[in-house]
Amino acid sequence: AQSVTQLGSHVSVSEGALVLLRCNYSSSVPPYLFWYVQYPNQGLQLLLKYTTGATLVKGINGFEAEFKKSETSFHLTKPSAHMSDAAEYFCAVSDKGNKLVFGAGTILRVKS
Amino acid sequence: EAGVVQSPRYKIIEKKQPVAFWCNPISGHNTLYWYRQNLGQGPELLIRYENEEAVDDSQLPKDRFSAERLKGVDSTLKIQPAELGDSAVYLCASSFSNSPLHFGNGTRLTVT
Repeated sequence: AQSVTQLGSHVSVSEGALVLLRCNYSSSVPPYLFWYVQYPNQGLQLLLKYTTGATLVKGINGFEAEFKKSETSFHLTKPSAHMSDAAEYFCAVSDKGNKLVFGAGTILRVKS
Repeated sequence: EAGVVQSPRYKIIEKKQPVAFWCNPISGHNTLYWYRQNLGQGPELLIRYENEEAVDDSQLPKDRFSAERLKGVDSTLKIQPAELGDSAVYLCASSFSNSPLHFGNGTRLTVT
């Protein structure tokens, strides 16, 4: 069985500061890993994904994540937060990419 | 391309009443998913279709929930009768083969 743990249900950063959202996963097979963003009253939008190959993955809106097998982690980062980044972020794991198991989500607040 | 379309966006019903949600996936996407997202939680898979066949419905409460995907395109998710605990956002998603999931904006169900 696969599972995802997102540390911190709420994260608050100042505009221009580093964004770090934590995700740890459990999987019995090599995982596919995803980050999705959800704005209020909208569906989930894919930010980035890791399947195989390079462990540092770049996504949209300046976000990136690094797959660390030894730590079973896939943390999401962005060097400089923007007000428009305020949203809820979900980490997800899959065995082959077509059945996602999501974490509980992290709400990112960006202070001006 | 047009995204995943869901209707209605919002639905308020009294307990014990029936309710149905509709989803039109992205054209050409053979896989369709229904997820339920409870408040403050990540989405949880209810059912997954490959074309018109339900290939994973292990999390679907079959005593009151049903789904269909006629002709392998549109899909309908039904609850009969609804219970207070069914209040949630119901998300539809679609994908082609092992490509990432594309989500609709969801239907927010409130059962009173």
